[in-house]
Amino acid sequence: GAGVSQTPSNKVTEKGKYVELRCDPISGHTALYWYRQSLGQGPEFLIYFQGTGAADDSGLPNDRFFAVRPEGSVSTLKIQRTERGDSAVYLCASSVSGTGNTEAFFGQGTRLTVV
Amino acid sequence: AQSVTQPDIHITVSEGASLELRCNYSYGATPYLFWYVQSPGQGLQLLLKYFSGDTLVQGIKGFEAEFKRSQSSFNLRKPSVHWSDAAEYFCAVDRGSTLGRLYFGRGTQLTVWP
Repeated sequence: GAGVSQTPSNKVTEKGKYVELRCDPISGHTALYWYRQSLGQGPEFLIYFQGTGAADDSGLPNDRFFAVRPEGSVSTLKIQRTERGDSAVYLCASSVSGTGNTEAFFGQGTRLTVV
Repeated sequence: AQSVTQPDIHITVSEGASLELRCNYSYGATPYLFWYVQSPGQGLQLLLKYFSGDTLVQGIKGFEAEFKRSQSSFNLRKPSVHWSDAAEYFCAVDRGSTLGRLYFGRGTQLTVWP
């Protein structure tokens, strides 16, 4: 596609439920990142994929959060037993190579609200 | 602690006035530096970036930024602000050893008065 696509754009879920957030990166981009942006804050890193593997998952806050990228393209961020504190905008970004001096392109984000 | 600081949470300027948004970082080496803009309901859009070389970089929409190593700063400037520039602006750094992982400041919200 022309840009990074994230679905759904909005998700409201009840506390304790499981949710999946999808990211479709720019075609050909091997690097994919997930960030979380809480109200009034800048984005915070969650996880980085190079191809199919998670090269850095040090930003995942706890074991309720998990992400996959099985074919090296689309990625899914999975949150189990959601809590109200998980409410935030989840951003996905992709770049050509993930070497640092390349531009990351961001999707519009998924706004997750846990009620 | 290593961090990115944007000291101004909210700035208000009149249309046509000049603008400077401040950003400081506290990493030891010179990182890669970025400014992003986020409009309501939109994703982050890259305004400009600094990797090396000329410390004054030009970006889109008439923005520029200057890297000052001695001050660990990368301030964003625009000589004449337009109403459409109202948005939130984020400074971000890549430490160069973290595979493209970005560290963001908390953002500066820009309001433009007509």
